[in-house]
Amino acid sequence: SQKIEQNSEALNIQEGKTATLTCNYTNYSPAYLQWYRQDPGRGPVFLLLIRENEKEKRKERLKVTFDTTLKQSLFHITASQPADSATYLCALGNSGNTPLVFGKGTRLSVIA
Amino acid sequence: DARVTQTPRHKVTEMGQEVTMRCQPILGHNTVFWYRQTMMQGLELLAYFRNRAPLDDSGMPKDRFSAEMPDATLATLKIQPSEPRDSAVYFCASGLVRTRRGEQFFGPGTRLTVL
Repeated sequence: SQKIEQNSEALNIQEGKTATLTCNYTNYSPAYLQWYRQDPGRGPVFLLLIRENEKEKRKERLKVTFDTTLKQSLFHITASQPADSATYLCALGNSGNTPLVFGKGTRLSVIA
Repeated sequence: DARVTQTPRHKVTEMGQEVTMRCQPILGHNTVFWYRQTMMQGLELLAYFRNRAPLDDSGMPKDRFSAEMPDATLATLKIQPSEPRDSAVYFCASGLVRTRRGEQFFGPGTRLTVL
């Protein structure tokens, strides 16, 4: 069955450092991969999408890589800030607005 | 500022009672999803609709859960009878199939506690 693993439940880093979150998957061939941010008591919010034929995508301080051979995506936040503290979810999809398969998320804490 | 709305935000009920959750998707979105989130399982798809037609509800326990879209501005998720194991946060999300990004817009969720 399809399985998505995010490297750890929780990650603590110092303000100003780069946070790197990992998403690995098995038994799946996604057409794209998305990253969402979820704050406590709120629904997930879309951040970035990367397609299977793309290696890297950037948006401001965010960078996502996608390696379909390794079946892995890395999500980087550079110059991290306490406001970046949240849970980050990766999600795999096959075509526009079909159901996503979500990882359980990594809770990031950026310490001032 | 278009957003998905859900009611109620919190619901505490006793085992055996009926629970109805409502969702108003973003106007113009043609796809609506219901997810359930727990610490153990994370986000799981329960059902989804396109143009109000149900496409997949294989994630729902059919004997007690039902999902409908009576019109384009309302989606409902009903549990009858509710059980303690149904305690979770239920999210509705909507999207537009024609967008290249395929992003889904989530509501704030309904936190359900079944005693």
